[in-house]
Amino acid sequence: GQNIDQPTEMTATEGAIVQINCTYQTSGFNGLFWYQQHAGEAPTFLSYNVLDGLEEKGRFSSFLSRSKGYSYLLLKELQMKDSASYLCAVGNTDKLIFGTGTRLQVFP
Amino acid sequence: DGGITQSPKYLFRKEGQNVTLSCEQNLNHDAMYWYRQDPGQGLRLIYYSQIVNDFQKGDIAEGYSVSREKKESFPLTVTSAQKNPTAFYLCASSMDSFQLGGELFFGEGSRLTVL
Repeated sequence: GQNIDQPTEMTATEGAIVQINCTYQTSGFNGLFWYQQHAGEAPTFLSYNVLDGLEEKGRFSSFLSRSKGYSYLLLKELQMKDSASYLCAVGNTDKLIFGTGTRLQVFP
Repeated sequence: DGGITQSPKYLFRKEGQNVTLSCEQNLNHDAMYWYRQDPGQGLRLIYYSQIVNDFQKGDIAEGYSVSREKKESFPLTVTSAQKNPTAFYLCASSMDSFQLGGELFFGEGSRLTVL
């Protein structure tokens, strides 16, 4: 079966660092994606990992461990505009399977 | 500007009626997808198409139908057989396969409410 788990909600303070975890068990694996989705809007692409290790892109970094079926998204220097849902997704052959998403609230 | 256009943005439907959601892209992408999102849930795949005149069922295809007669267009029909159609529907496209890190580009979504 296909299973992608993320925490439902997280809160953090402006300027802080937050780590959003994602664990997955899927029949296939062609890479792990992170998307950001603001309320009522479409998701936008944040990062892609296919090999183990850390990928850094500005304030956002994403880590992957394929042997552990684990990834995390690290957000540094949090800003109010980072309040959104963060979706973990696994590429499986010819489709992308999404987790339920983590709703992050950033407080001043 | 290149992108994906979904219409209508909001749609109300009476029970027992079919409704078609439009999705058009000018990105020259081969693959197109329809996802459904319910409150507090992730995106669930309804149908996808990797090439014109071909499409495959996703995880929740029952009560939906699609067509792919043109590369640019991938309309979704929500039929009366869909038991709980009220949801946010997202259309997406991609150029490269996921093995190459091809990301999904999403339209702005269509919010369907059944009265």
